[in-house]
Amino acid sequence: GEDVEQSLFLSVREGDSSVINCTYTDSSSTYLYWYKQEPGAGLQLLTYIFSNMDMKQDQRLTVLLNKKDKHLSLRIADTQTGDSAIYFCAEISTVRGFKTIFGAGTRLFVKA
Amino acid sequence: NAGVTQTPKFQVLKTGQSMTLQCAQDMNHNSMYWYRQDPGMGLRLIYYSASEGTTDKGEVPNGYNVSRLNKREFSLRLESAAPSQTSVYFCASSEQSVTDNYGYTFGSGTRLTVV
Repeated sequence: GEDVEQSLFLSVREGDSSVINCTYTDSSSTYLYWYKQEPGAGLQLLTYIFSNMDMKQDQRLTVLLNKKDKHLSLRIADTQTGDSAIYFCAEISTVRGFKTIFGAGTRLFVKA
Repeated sequence: NAGVTQTPKFQVLKTGQSMTLQCAQDMNHNSMYWYRQDPGMGLRLIYYSASEGTTDKGEVPNGYNVSRLNKREFSLRLESAAPSQTSVYFCASSEQSVTDNYGYTFGSGTRLTVV
């Protein structure tokens, strides 16, 4: 099937950069997203990237898209304790009738 | 505050009971969605409504029904709750169409336990 896969956990020290990776299988995806979920809350859209872009930067966030390898990454510069959360990668799957498909989420731990 | 409002926040049901989860958005979005979130499984789409007056099944619709009451409100009904429906339910909305989607706005979720 068409899946979005992420590693489950990532631990970094405060001040370091975090890189969260995601792979997807639908080569005709049009939009790819990163969402953040804090404990007890809903998902919050962080950023999205069109499939015809390679990179998007927004303050401390950098998204890289490698369409050949179907790989998406989110880099958080100068990671803070407030960045501790679950990060979800998602894509619009044309194979699944333009449904948004979510990965299982990567839990980011930031150590002070 | 503008956004997506879900009620209730928590609910415990006995097997076989029914209930309706309510969702309302005040952003004038066309599309609305219901997802469930289970540990290690990401979010799975239950039902969606691309526009007022239309509803469609998602990935896991069995055991659920929905109503798009008007442009603002989209409710999810469990007719006969089962323990497998224990989950966190999220409502979401988006401004654009289903094919051109700049991302969702999510509610804060309803934590449902079926015993």
